[in-house]
Amino acid sequence: GENVEQHPSTLSVQEGDSAVIKCTYSDSASNYFPWYKQELGKRPQLIIDIRSNVGEKKDQRIAVTLNKTAKHFSLHITETQPEDSAVYFCAASKGYSSASKIIFGSGTRLSIRP
Amino acid sequence: NAGVTQTPKFRVLKTGQSMTLLCAQDMNHEYMYWYRQDPGMGLRLIHYSVGEGTTAKGEVPDGYNVSRLKKQNFLLGLESAAPSQTSVYFCASSSHSYEQYFGPGTRLTVT
Repeated sequence: GENVEQHPSTLSVQEGDSAVIKCTYSDSASNYFPWYKQELGKRPQLIIDIRSNVGEKKDQRIAVTLNKTAKHFSLHITETQPEDSAVYFCAASKGYSSASKIIFGSGTRLSIRP
Repeated sequence: NAGVTQTPKFRVLKTGQSMTLLCAQDMNHEYMYWYRQDPGMGLRLIHYSVGEGTTAKGEVPDGYNVSRLKKQNFLLGLESAAPSQTSVYFCASSSHSYEQYFGPGTRLTVT
């Protein structure tokens, strides 16, 4: 079955610097790669996603890149702010499939230092 | 729209007791999921459903049962609770397998 590995598990960056979180997946048939943000005590919420026919997607200060050949995808946060402090999860799925489900990485705890 | 709701928000059980967690969604989503979240383990899929009347096992199904009798509801049952089932449980729903909408979570402690 699908396996998603995420690293680092913790990341601390200075406010204003960039943060990068990386994930690898095992199933080459996966075609949908979302990123979720979970603030302390809250539910996970989707912040950005990418599908396999696209190599990069940006939304203001966040961007995701996908390398299907290497089965890698990454989250980039630029100009980090205190409100970016949270746990971030990557995930992979096969999208439209009767047996499909999303598999999550183990999470990265991002801390922004003032 | 309320989105995805979960009942109860907190619960303390004694070993061997049973309980049912209720998840409800009002977005007419086909897919529903139950996850557990433990420190350092991320979100692990317990069971999921691709439509009314269907259920399937996820990564960690042992000790849990589920039912999807109505499209809007997905129930998670613990027949004989164990301390290893102490966790935060999240329900989610999605249209097919794209963006998942999560409920607020249920914090369960088994003593």
